[in-house]
Amino acid sequence: DTGVSQDPRHKITKRGQNVTFRCDPISEHNRLYWYRQTLGQGPEFLTYFQNEAQLEKSRLLSDRFSAERPKGSFSTLEIQRTEQGDSAMYLCASSLVRSGEQYFGPGTRLTVT
Amino acid sequence: QKEVEQDPGPLSVPEGAIVSLNCTYSNSAFQYFMWYRQYSRKGPELLMYTYSSGNKEDGRFTAQVDKSSKYISLFIRDSQPSDSATYLCAMTLVGNEKLTFGTGTRLTIIP
Repeated sequence: DTGVSQDPRHKITKRGQNVTFRCDPISEHNRLYWYRQTLGQGPEFLTYFQNEAQLEKSRLLSDRFSAERPKGSFSTLEIQRTEQGDSAMYLCASSLVRSGEQYFGPGTRLTVT
Repeated sequence: QKEVEQDPGPLSVPEGAIVSLNCTYSNSAFQYFMWYRQYSRKGPELLMYTYSSGNKEDGRFTAQVDKSSKYISLFIRDSQPSDSATYLCAMTLVGNEKLTFGTGTRLTIIP
């Protein structure tokens, strides 16, 4: 069991640039979640997939954010026209269907300058 | 008011002490309750997972849920310096696995 992996671990970008993050879930897990965590706060839900279907999106996920999970395996989260307020840790988690046990990856720390 | 309230600390206790961490919540529909441990600049690690009210023990960790009071606790016995981390409570509704987290409590165990 290799756990959830995320790439890159740290991304520094200039305001206005686009960035894309990747998450590889635990291999048999069919649910995949994205969260965002800012300093001193708990993670906040962004969106989740069951297999390749995106089932729910938070109001936090503005139209500059898009997530995909082609073929129900890895997922990507893209942020277009980044803003300084997008600076945060982006966390991915995975679980089995209808299991509350979500396992998190190490996160991607985004810094927008 | 946030759905889940957690004292951010920081909390410092001597090695070997019993640590008590708590969360309160406002949504009575929450059914599943979790505790995660997060080291600095790392992802959260699942420690305890409980359903509805009651106690669950795993080694030095005990989780308690009191749904009537909308209050959950995590106890750490024989605390070790390696327990120094931020502890996050999280909860979810039945059939909806979106987690709602507290802000986290930063814990330091002093050798």
